[in-house]
Amino acid sequence: AQSVTQPDIHITVSEGASLELRCNYSYGATPYLFWYVQSPGQGLQLLLKYFSGDTLVQGIKGFEAEFKRSQSSFNLRKPSVHWSDAAEYFCAVVPNQAGTALIFGKGTTLSVSS
Amino acid sequence: DAGVTQSPTHLIKTRGQQVTLRCSPKSGHDTVSWYQQALGQGPQFIFQYYEEEERQRGNFPDRFSGHQFPNYSSELNVNALLLGDSALYLCASSWRLGQETQYFGPGTRLLVL
Repeated sequence: AQSVTQPDIHITVSEGASLELRCNYSYGATPYLFWYVQSPGQGLQLLLKYFSGDTLVQGIKGFEAEFKRSQSSFNLRKPSVHWSDAAEYFCAVVPNQAGTALIFGKGTTLSVSS
Repeated sequence: DAGVTQSPTHLIKTRGQQVTLRCSPKSGHDTVSWYQQALGQGPQFIFQYYEEEERQRGNFPDRFSGHQFPNYSSELNVNALLLGDSALYLCASSWRLGQETQYFGPGTRLLVL
């Protein structure tokens, strides 16, 4: 079945440490790929997106993501995490030629320890 | 530049009642999509409106209906509320049904008792 998988439900990272959040998708063609962040009680904010071209994408707040076609993955990274990065992170796709609805993963909760 | 706005912020209803949620898109956007986010889950697509017509629909029953007005704002209506309809309802706006960035509002938290 077509889906977006975020294998890690909850991750705790020390402040200043690096971060990688995983995302895998199962669609035949390469979909459009997104990462959103949601702070408690808030809506979703777009961190970055990939449509085509350079497979390493830079986003806001120092985040980047790498698209790997062979692994059907779009992992989010940050070299040094700040306490304010604690939030819920969602990977989402728009399957090509299938409308424009976003299909979300279940999310990964990031906690930052001091 | 106003972003996506939604009203109300919170709402409490009882089973069987009907509810209407409202959304104003970001300035310059003409497409509105609605998502339901249950607690601990990712958002699920309900439907999308463009040019006052429903253009795409997710796997939601007919109890969920919507409308888009000439000024591009939108309403989400849910009839015969069930306990399971309790969720955060998110509105997102974009331009010309684009597959590019959808901007989300802060959501309406609906509690059905």
